[in-house]
Amino acid sequence: SAVISQKPSRDICQRGTSLTIQCQVDSQVTMMFWYRQQPGQSLTLIATANQGSEATYESGFVIDKFPISRPNLTFSTLTVSNMSPEDSSIYLCSVEGLIYFGEQFFGPGTRLTVL
Amino acid sequence: KQEVTQIPAALSVPEGENLVLNCSFTDSAIYNLQWFRQDPGKGLTSLLLIQSSQREQTSGRLNASLDKSSGRSTLYIAASQPGDSATYLCAGREYMYSGGGADGLTFGKGTHLIIQP
Repeated sequence: SAVISQKPSRDICQRGTSLTIQCQVDSQVTMMFWYRQQPGQSLTLIATANQGSEATYESGFVIDKFPISRPNLTFSTLTVSNMSPEDSSIYLCSVEGLIYFGEQFFGPGTRLTVL
Repeated sequence: KQEVTQIPAALSVPEGENLVLNCSFTDSAIYNLQWFRQDPGKGLTSLLLIQSSQREQTSGRLNASLDKSSGRSTLYIAASQPGDSATYLCAGREYMYSGGGADGLTFGKGTHLIIQP
């Protein structure tokens, strides 16, 4: 089965800085997504990472705060910009199209703490 | 926008029992529904995917059903084991391009399951 990796696995950052999270999958996939899991909460969709075009953001999330890139069918990045303590969360990427269209598989997540 | 609710929020049962986890969703025009488990400090593991045209899916001791008309899905776990202890998440997917937004999954808050040895 495919391997989905994220870097970094965790980080502690100062407020006002930015962090870029990478998601790499070892097979070409149709779709890639980014989710956030705040402490003690379930997952919330941030955006769909579209190859070669601007990401599609869910209501409440904006490009200036969460810029996303997807240069090819196996790689995407999410940047958390101008961070505040409220951005402390686990950020997860997911991919779709590995096996069945519509089934999503998740990376291990990036645990971000903002001081 | 789809809303997904899971009950109970937490469940603790002795080993060996059969149990049912419930999931309800507000929009019957659902494209598919997926069940996941999440272990503490780890990512999500996909358990079962039910397409909108299907009524159930089975994998080992797990069986998931989907009733679009009532807006419900259930996850049945047979002969529970301590290794089944985890948080179980239900997530629904709307049809792509159905109402704007990013077309990903909408998650419930999960059922935290503890199987007592």
